[in-house]
Amino acid sequence: EPEVTQTPSHQVTQMGQEVILRCVPISNHLYFYWYRQILGQKVEFLVSFYNNEISEKSEIFDDQFSVERPDGSNFTLKIRSTKLEDSAMYFCASSFEPLGDYNEQFFGPGTRLTVL
Amino acid sequence: SQQGEEDPQALSIQEGENATMNCSYKTSINNLQWYRQNSGRGLVHLILIRSNEREKHSGRLRVTLDTSKKSSSLLITASRAADTASYFCATGGYSSASKIIFGSGTRLSIRP
Repeated sequence: EPEVTQTPSHQVTQMGQEVILRCVPISNHLYFYWYRQILGQKVEFLVSFYNNEISEKSEIFDDQFSVERPDGSNFTLKIRSTKLEDSAMYFCASSFEPLGDYNEQFFGPGTRLTVL
Repeated sequence: SQQGEEDPQALSIQEGENATMNCSYKTSINNLQWYRQNSGRGLVHLILIRSNEREKHSGRLRVTLDTSKKSSSLLITASRAADTASYFCATGGYSSASKIIFGSGTRLSIRP
């Protein structure tokens, strides 16, 4: 069964460093998402991406964040200068069509980011 | 805001019993989904129910949706130790079709 994969599973970085979290969505999916979950809190939407551009982003997704689909298979989230409060589990998701058409989003296993 | 909130926040039951978790939300939705998350792990999609559906079954799972009350319930029958996890409802709306909004979750513990 096709699945969303994410690498690395755990990333430890120093405050102020740049990190890139990688995702490989399901191959025929067209819509891509990043969510995050701070330990013990809700899963929060960050950004959605379609047709090589951002469809929607939350207020969390500020100028420190960027997304890219560099090669038609990978989907990346870059945090330019990490802060302590960026420590969280980051989930990538993909869907074939927007949720309004009843297709669900398939989530990857997550990358745990720890900022020291 | 369009938001799912589950209750109870935590539920502990004996193996073999049924577990019922509830979710309430604020605005009109296109669909509602339930996810499971084992501690520190990823999100597993359990079931999606459309706004024009009232009930849906999948194995030991039964989901109901009452759009007039803006609420949903997830019933797990004949619970097993492996069902121990957090369960989240997530809503998809008409105006923001590209994202889903998660509730706070119910932590379910199954006692052997």
